[in-house]
Amino acid sequence: AQTVTQSQPEMSVQEAETVTLSCTYDTSESDYYLFWYKQPPSRQMILVIRQEAYKQQNATENRFSVNFQKAAKSFSLKISDSQLGDAAMYFCAYLNAGNNRKLIWGLGTSLGVNP
Amino acid sequence: KAGVTQTPRYLIKTRGQQVTLSCSPISGHRSVSWYQQTPGQGLQFLFEYFSETQRNKGNFPGRFSGRQFSNSRSEMNVSTLELGDSALYLCASSSGLTQETQYFGPGTRLLVL
Repeated sequence: AQTVTQSQPEMSVQEAETVTLSCTYDTSESDYYLFWYKQPPSRQMILVIRQEAYKQQNATENRFSVNFQKAAKSFSLKISDSQLGDAAMYFCAYLNAGNNRKLIWGLGTSLGVNP
Repeated sequence: KAGVTQTPRYLIKTRGQQVTLSCSPISGHRSVSWYQQTPGQGLQFLFEYFSETQRNKGNFPGRFSGRQFSNSRSEMNVSTLELGDSALYLCASSSGLTQETQYFGPGTRLLVL
């Protein structure tokens, strides 16, 4: 069975600085997707970034980028130029390719941003 | 496009009652998935519906059931509520075909007393 591990329950960063959130996963599959979702206090789950396992290039979305290491089964999220609005819970999630739409989640990292 | 909507947003029930939650996916999306989020267990997959058929199921008891209508709207039902069913229930929609990303609604917060 697939598992997702986020080893940092809480992190903090100064406004305008850079922070990296860690995620490791375990799977025997070769084709899958990885996601980072953000959940602010409103509890709305918001997609931050997605990575297809077959792509070697790391995904980027504005200030958000990932470091995807397939052999090491590592998928970290880097937030550059941190803003107060980035404060939230961040969840790493795994999804097998194909018809199994079951997202498997890490326990989350609570990110605080200090002004 | 309008996002995923969930109703109601908040519910308070007592043990033994049953509850029905509703989810309307993004227009054109045919897949709806349900997740339970609790402080102790985190996010857990309940089930997924695609074109009115349950396509995937998580490890929850039979008290948890769902269905999907021809317009892709989905309902989730929990019968004989237990205190442990108190949670945030999240619904997610996707096209169900080549697009794998799931987009989430605001959730329904259920409190069982």
